[in-house]
Amino acid sequence: GQNIDQPTEMTATEGAIVQINCTYQTSGFNGLFWYQQHAGEAPTFLSYNVLDGLEEKGRFSSFLSRSKGYSYLLLKELQMKDSASYLCVLHASGGSYIPTFGRGTSLIVHP
Amino acid sequence: NAGVMQNPRHLVRRRGQEARLRCSPMKGHSHVYWYRQLPEEGLKFMVYLQKENIIDESGMPKERFSAEFPKEGPSILRIQQVVRGDSAAYFCASSPPTRAGFGETQYFGPGTRLLVL
Repeated sequence: GQNIDQPTEMTATEGAIVQINCTYQTSGFNGLFWYQQHAGEAPTFLSYNVLDGLEEKGRFSSFLSRSKGYSYLLLKELQMKDSASYLCVLHASGGSYIPTFGRGTSLIVHP
Repeated sequence: NAGVMQNPRHLVRRRGQEARLRCSPMKGHSHVYWYRQLPEEGLKFMVYLQKENIIDESGMPKERFSAEFPKEGPSILRIQQVVRGDSAAYFCASSPPTRAGFGETQYFGPGTRLLVL
């Protein structure tokens, strides 16, 4: 089976940088996604890592280390609208196409 | 290109009634996933369908819940004899055909908020 662990809640200041960590255990690996979900809304895709290293997309970057079962999402120049839940999502191999969602990290950005 | 559509956005039912939730995937997407999200909790997988086939329903309760994705028309999640515990947000996501060995990005609909009185 798969298991995902990420912090429940984080707070940060507008304009700062925040790193949201995600650790996982899986018997096979086919990719790790990050989604953003604002309260009462649908999750939206942020990033996808399948190989080790850093993927940068504007203010958002995501890092993956498969050997350590570890990923992080880095948000720079935080804005108030970044207050949301950030979901770490694992795709395992072995014929299953069902992603496993973490419980999400609720990020609160304050002035 | 319209995104994933779900309707209704809000649905109120009394205990014992039936709830029907509809999902139209993005154009070109043949895979549909249904998830349930309870307040303050994460997304829980329910069922994965392709056209006319249920691929994986391991997350679906054995009773009262069913899903279909017919050749024509939207995917339907049906909940019979609803109970208060069924109150949740139900999200549908679609993805293109899966490339072997890779996970595919899922695109979510706006969700249906079901309230059972």
